[in-house]
Amino acid sequence: AQKVTQAQTEISVVEKEDVTLDCVYETRDTTYYLFWYKQPPSGELVFLIRRNSFDEQNEISGRYSWNFQKSTSSFNFTITASQVVDSAVYFCALSEDQGAQKLVFGQGTRLTINP
Amino acid sequence: GAGVSQSPRYKVTKRGQDVALRCDPISGHVSLYWYRQALGQGPEFLTYFNYEAQQDKSGLPNDRFSAERPEGSISTLTIQRTEQRDSAMYRCASSLASAAYEQYFGPGTRLTVT
Repeated sequence: AQKVTQAQTEISVVEKEDVTLDCVYETRDTTYYLFWYKQPPSGELVFLIRRNSFDEQNEISGRYSWNFQKSTSSFNFTITASQVVDSAVYFCALSEDQGAQKLVFGQGTRLTINP
Repeated sequence: GAGVSQSPRYKVTKRGQDVALRCDPISGHVSLYWYRQALGQGPEFLTYFNYEAQQDKSGLPNDRFSAERPEGSISTLTIQRTEQRDSAMYRCASSLASAAYEQYFGPGTRLTVT
């Protein structure tokens, strides 16, 4: 069965610090997809990134970067030089290609960036 | 272009009443999903459609919950005989196709059952 674990419930850092949000997943499929979503205080869910299981290249988008390691079943998210606007709840999610066609979410990590 | 829209945004209803929640997906998106999000939790899957066909309803909590997408576009999630435990944020998402594609979420309907 699919499972996503975000062990960090809350993280609080000072602005400009780097911060890494952890995500560990479980799946029996060989083909699967990993996602990160951001939920700011306004409540909407904003798509950030999608990776498929065959592409282990790390991705960088501005201050955001993602590290996918199949060997440890992890898909971690790093924010460099954090800003107050990065404060949000971040969700990691997994979907399987052959299994249930749905997103399974982790519990989320609440990130607070203090000025 | 327009994103996923949901209506109503807020619904307060009395226990025992039926409610219907509407989702209008992004134009051209084949797949439509319903999720429920409790406070402080990640969204949990309820059901999904490809075009008008309901492919999976394994996440629906019980037979008071049903969903339809008769013309392969707009979808309605119906909860009959609402109970207080049904209070939550109900979110709709759509994607170009199924598991391989990112899902774009609507703003949600906050349901409160009194």
